[in-house]
Amino acid sequence: GAVVSQHPSRVICKSGTSVKIECRSLDFQATTMFWYRQFPKQSLMLMATSNEGSKATYEQGVEKDKFLINHASLTLSTLTVTSAHPEDSSFYICSASVGLATDTQYFGPGTRLTVL
Amino acid sequence: AQSVTQPDIHITVSEGASLELRCNYSYGATPYLFWYVQSPGQGLQLLLKYFSGDTLVQGIKGFEAEFKRSQSSFNLRKPSVHWSDAAEYFCAVGADSGGYQKVTFGTGTKLQVIP
Repeated sequence: GAVVSQHPSRVICKSGTSVKIECRSLDFQATTMFWYRQFPKQSLMLMATSNEGSKATYEQGVEKDKFLINHASLTLSTLTVTSAHPEDSSFYICSASVGLATDTQYFGPGTRLTVL
Repeated sequence: AQSVTQPDIHITVSEGASLELRCNYSYGATPYLFWYVQSPGQGLQLLLKYFSGDTLVQGIKGFEAEFKRSQSSFNLRKPSVHWSDAAEYFCAVGADSGGYQKVTFGTGTKLQVIP
């Protein structure tokens, strides 16, 4: 149980376009969802924490207007990278929890974004 | 703010040998501590976690970790490594941060298992 999916797994886009990444909890209701960014040979960097029906809490240094997060239901959160640039190329990972961040987080397999 | 350090970027062990992955954390009080494993093409999976109680925590896949407050450490161990354990391992610390809870991950240790 406790499966989290991400779609798409890979996406290539042109500079200046927007890309939406979906994160779904398939068999449980996620009170909280998290979005991370992982650079090569580096750790997961938390970008934002989102609770269903409320605004996301962004980490310091993460541009809210560039990385739009929507948590419309207890099973779906989306991350939209607006006006993407090559420096936004990265591996984006979502996770979901039935409670807080310190409860078990169930991770999606990640989305590789490449901006040309 | 909390932080976590994994001093070993890459470790190679022989199949059947014992394993210890190091993790040191920084936080003023007792934090939540986690070990996650990331296999290629798969999402991170929780191996074990600690907050209170017995300082020796048993996890899945035969892993265990010991919380040592005096050393601010939470090292992961396995007595006999299997080839399928080859993966990247992340230590993480969770605590209150600015009014909400947040988990901070270490940089990871990549485990290679040789026959």
